[in-house]
Amino acid sequence: DSGVTQTPKHLITATGQRVTLRCSPRSGDLSVYWYQQSLDQGLQFLIHYYNGEERAKGNILERFSAQQFPDLHSELNLSSLELGDSALYFCASSLRVGRDYGYTFGSGTRLTVV
Amino acid sequence: GQSLEQPSEVTAVEGAIVQINCTYQTSGFYGLSWYQQHDGGAPTFLSYNALDGLEETGRFSSFLSRSDSYGYLLLQELQMKDSASYFCAVGQNTDKLIFGTGTRLQVFP
Repeated sequence: DSGVTQTPKHLITATGQRVTLRCSPRSGDLSVYWYQQSLDQGLQFLIHYYNGEERAKGNILERFSAQQFPDLHSELNLSSLELGDSALYFCASSLRVGRDYGYTFGSGTRLTVV
Repeated sequence: GQSLEQPSEVTAVEGAIVQINCTYQTSGFYGLSWYQQHDGGAPTFLSYNALDGLEETGRFSSFLSRSDSYGYLLLQELQMKDSASYFCAVGQNTDKLIFGTGTRLQVFP
């Protein structure tokens, strides 16, 4: 157990639907990062939150949005889902920004859009 | 633009030494990291290089040459459990870590 909790572990939904993925960071970590990993692909950076504030965006589609709440958990919202959105979505946390002390990843949410 | 190039696959036998190279081209550089990911699992942090040179952590070592935009991960005394994908990652700034496409390492008995 890495200390980063992601729910649900698996999600199957239909095209056009909306889903919410949840992430609880490791205790004490202020930064939350979201990554998308498609089949046999690398990790694509989506977005970074630090202590409730958005710090950086990657190639995140306009249909996707995220937020970090006062208790530091984060949610990634995916709407108008398409078949191509099927992927593993990872959340990672770290104590601080400014130096790579290493991200701790959760076990991911496997999203299947049918 | 940004790119991180890694070999797609490397094979080796138990007990051998293998080197996984990574060349990068990014706007901004805040260190080179390496992560391991077993099939179906979460990436786990292995090492970080901010400055040129070699960092050693047990059987794994990581090297960085900033002037060459190049780094490598060296795995010694390979074990079957080292079969996994290995990703290099560059901190593009303080808020964004960009991952390479990954190298699948297969260790054979």
